[in-house]
Amino acid sequence: QKEVEQNSGPLSVPEGAIASLNCTYSDRGSQSFFWYRQYSGKSPELIMFIYSNGDKEDGRFTAQLNKASQYVSLLIRDSQPSDSATYLCAGGENTGFQKLVFGTGTRLLVSP
Amino acid sequence: EPEVTQTPSHQVTQMGQEVILRCVPISNHLYFYWYRQILGQKVEFLVSFYNNEISEKSEIFDDQFSVERPDGSNFTLKIRSTKLEDSAMYFCASKWGSTDTQYFGPGTRLTVL
Repeated sequence: QKEVEQNSGPLSVPEGAIASLNCTYSDRGSQSFFWYRQYSGKSPELIMFIYSNGDKEDGRFTAQLNKASQYVSLLIRDSQPSDSATYLCAGGENTGFQKLVFGTGTRLLVSP
Repeated sequence: EPEVTQTPSHQVTQMGQEVILRCVPISNHLYFYWYRQILGQKVEFLVSFYNNEISEKSEIFDDQFSVERPDGSNFTLKIRSTKLEDSAMYFCASKWGSTDTQYFGPGTRLTVL
């Protein structure tokens, strides 16, 4: 059974701080990883994807992947109250169809 | 910016009734998906569709479910005889290529009474 594990939170950080969200996965066949943001009652919105070991930066967001440890993380710098949402980690196989296996999500609360 | 659209936004139905959830994927996308999310739970894969056929389906996607791409734009999910436990948000997603990322529609909230 392929699993993606996340701490459900909530993770509370003050405005301007760095939020660190973590995810582990059980399937070594997973090759690509995605971070989606989901506001309550809304659909998942893609934040970042990462395929290779190491760091990938996009604006205030940095994704980190360590395939040996089966660990993915998302750092959000200069957190804003509008970043308050549930962050979903998803893993995909390296095939064309690439269904996504989602974690339960971590709820992030950024206080002003 | 192109978006995946879904209709209706909310569907209420009686147990045992058939429902059809509709999706219009982004126009040049080739891979199509349905996921569902029961309230408070994780997003779960239901089915993927490529080249006019199902490429993979989950254990959830039993004989009560079917998908169709009736024309060049729509992608539908049919539930033949709804159960109470089918109540969930249903998300359609699409992507262009094998290494592309999936883009999600806004979802249809299905309530089975």
